[in-house]
Amino acid sequence: DGGITQSPKYLFRKEGQNVTLSCEQNLNHDAMYWYRQDPGQGLRLIYYSQIVNDFQKGDIAEGYSVSREKKESFPLTVTSAQKNPTAFYLCASWNRARGANTGELFFGEGSRLTVL
Amino acid sequence: AQSVTQPDIHITVSEGASLELRCNYSYGATPYLFWYVQSPGQGLQLLLKYFSGDTLVQGIKGFEAEFKRSQSSFNLRKPSVHWSDAAEYFCAVGVPNFGNEKLTFGTGTRLTIIP
Repeated sequence: DGGITQSPKYLFRKEGQNVTLSCEQNLNHDAMYWYRQDPGQGLRLIYYSQIVNDFQKGDIAEGYSVSREKKESFPLTVTSAQKNPTAFYLCASWNRARGANTGELFFGEGSRLTVL
Repeated sequence: AQSVTQPDIHITVSEGASLELRCNYSYGATPYLFWYVQSPGQGLQLLLKYFSGDTLVQGIKGFEAEFKRSQSSFNLRKPSVHWSDAAEYFCAVGVPNFGNEKLTFGTGTRLTIIP
């Protein structure tokens, strides 16, 4: 079945360590996104990528980095510069073709990062 | 920039009762509008979406939503809730951008169902 796979589902990290969250999709979607979810704050956009080898900062990009070397993959690195990294991270892809008047975000199951 | 407000943080309804979750957006033209549902510890699932056309939109699981331009609203409704509807619901707005859309999400409404 097509979908978005995020791993790991749970991750613990010590302060000062970088950690990379994996996101893989087999939906053949061009655009991919990373959102951060905190209780009471909804989803906030970290980074997004419309095409391979290109990505843009979202609303809360500080302390995060991404790469998009393949269409299927959009890993997120939470660096030690991120002041409050404990959160639930959601990867998504967008299925709308350019010029089409429809589309939606498809989400993975999320990764919960806890900094000890 | 666009924004979306979900004024109700938490709503409790009895099983079988009707439901309305509120969503208001801020954008100068007609945006794309979405409702998603999330069970604890899971990703988000699309309930319904509005891009254009008929302002009453039908979705999955018996949900519907109505786009009201004059009120900048896109409220979600269900005539009779089931215990399985207990979850968190997110409204989202997207600005049309020729396939380069980004969605802005509200802060969510947590729905509790009582027997």
